Amino acid sequence: DTAVSQTPKYLVTQMGNDKSIKCEQNLGHDTMYWYKQDSKKFLKIMFSYNNKELIINETVPNRFSPKSPDKAHLNLHINSLELGDSAVYFCASSQGQGPITDTQYFGPGTRLTVL
Amino acid sequence: GNSVTQMEGPVTLSEEAFLTINCTYTATGYPSLFWYVQYPGEGLQLLLKATKADDKGSNKGFEATYRKETTSFHLEKGSVQVSDSAVYFCALSALIYNQGGKLIFGQGTELSVKP
Repeated sequence: DTAVSQTPKYLVTQMGNDKSIKCEQNLGHDTMYWYKQDSKKFLKIMFSYNNKELIINETVPNRFSPKSPDKAHLNLHINSLELGDSAVYFCASSQGQGPITDTQYFGPGTRLTVL
Repeated sequence: GNSVTQMEGPVTLSEEAFLTINCTYTATGYPSLFWYVQYPGEGLQLLLKATKADDKGSNKGFEATYRKETTSFHLEKGSVQVSDSAVYFCALSALIYNQGGKLIFGQGTELSVKP
C-alpha cells in the first residue's frame, strides 16, 4: 500500500533522448511536487501542482515538462536529456496547496543516469 | 531570501552517544520548520516539525526546538542507535504569494552510527 509511488526506480539513458517518470499518490492529496536531488544530496523543488494546476515552477529548463492528468498523478517528461540531468528525482504530495503546516509525503525516488 | 544551513557531515558516532545536528535558517515572515530523514535507498520521511517560536517537535527520541531569537532548529537525540544512520535534512516552509507553501531544504547531514 505505497502512499506515493514512482516508476521507474532506475533509468539509464543516452544524451539527447526523451524520457518520462511517473508518479502516483493514493492519499487523496490535492498537491503534488517534483524535487531534484543532486549528487551532493542537495534537494531543490522543481514544480508543484494543485488539483492539476501548476503552482510552482522554479526556473527549470523548459526541457522539463510536468503533466498532471488527474490530481493523483504527476508525471515528469524530460526532452533532450543532458549529462547534468543525472540526479535522483523525488515526487511528493501534501493535503493542501500550501498551508505551511502541511506535511509532504515523498516517493522512493527515481535515479536518472544520463550517459 | 529564505535559506537553511546545516552542519556539514558526515557525522560518525558510537551507539548510545548524544547527537546534535545544527540547523540555522534565514526567512522573511514566520516559517514552519521541519526535520526530514532519508534512510539509504529511500525517499524522505518527516521526522518532526514545529510551527511557531518556542515550539518543540519530537519523534522517535529526536527533539528540536524552534528558536526565533537565534534562528535555529537544532536536532538532538540522547542516545543514538545503529538504525538511526541516515541523512537528515532541515527544512523551512515559506509561504510564497500566489504559490502556496514551498519547502526549502538544507544541504543534508549524513549520520553514521557504529556499534
